[in-house]
Amino acid sequence: DVKVTQSSRYLVKRTGEKVFLECVQDMDHENMFWYRQDPGLGLRLIYFSYDVKMKEKGDIPEGYSVSREKKERFSLILESASTNQTSMYLCASSSGRSPYEQYFGPGTRLTVT
Amino acid sequence: DQQVKQNSPSLSVQEGRISILNCDYTNSMFDYFLWYKKYPAEGPTFLISISSIKDKNEDGRFTVFLNKSAKHLSLHIVPSQPGDSAVYFCAASDGNNRLAFGKGNQVVVIP
Repeated sequence: DVKVTQSSRYLVKRTGEKVFLECVQDMDHENMFWYRQDPGLGLRLIYFSYDVKMKEKGDIPEGYSVSREKKERFSLILESASTNQTSMYLCASSSGRSPYEQYFGPGTRLTVT
Repeated sequence: DQQVKQNSPSLSVQEGRISILNCDYTNSMFDYFLWYKKYPAEGPTFLISISSIKDKNEDGRFTVFLNKSAKHLSLHIVPSQPGDSAVYFCAASDGNNRLAFGKGNQVVVIP
């Protein structure tokens, strides 16, 4: 059974803080993704990675960066959190053999005050 | 611009009846389509998919239909059960490993 875990379910941070969201998958998947989900907007891709140390911008990368130092771990970094980054953040992974079937973590509800 | 569109954001259906969710797309390069289901406070889970070389795929109570000429796909759930109450996302890929998601449809199955 694929398991994708995220470091926190709920997080409250102040404007201007640096925020780290961690994601770990245990299925040796090549691909990892970070999305944010907002009411009325669905899931929007922030960044993704095909392999260790590789990253690609998604549709809304502004204000975010990522890090993938190990295959199982993909981190999302908010360099200076802002209130418009209050959202649900979802991490996902997929294998190279079935790249479209993504497995999602439970999400992190981030509130920036 | 949204490449995958799900209108009618919510649907209420009686238990035992059919639920039909619709999805339209604009990118003619999309060649693989998926439906995901999401419960509150959980991540989306994969439900069913279809390749552009097919026009129908069935898995138990779930069937996805694809009409390439109309750039339209639909998900049929029959019979609907209370546990099907969730948000359903339509997604599509053009072969580059990333997915474009729709905004989601809330389904409520009334016992």
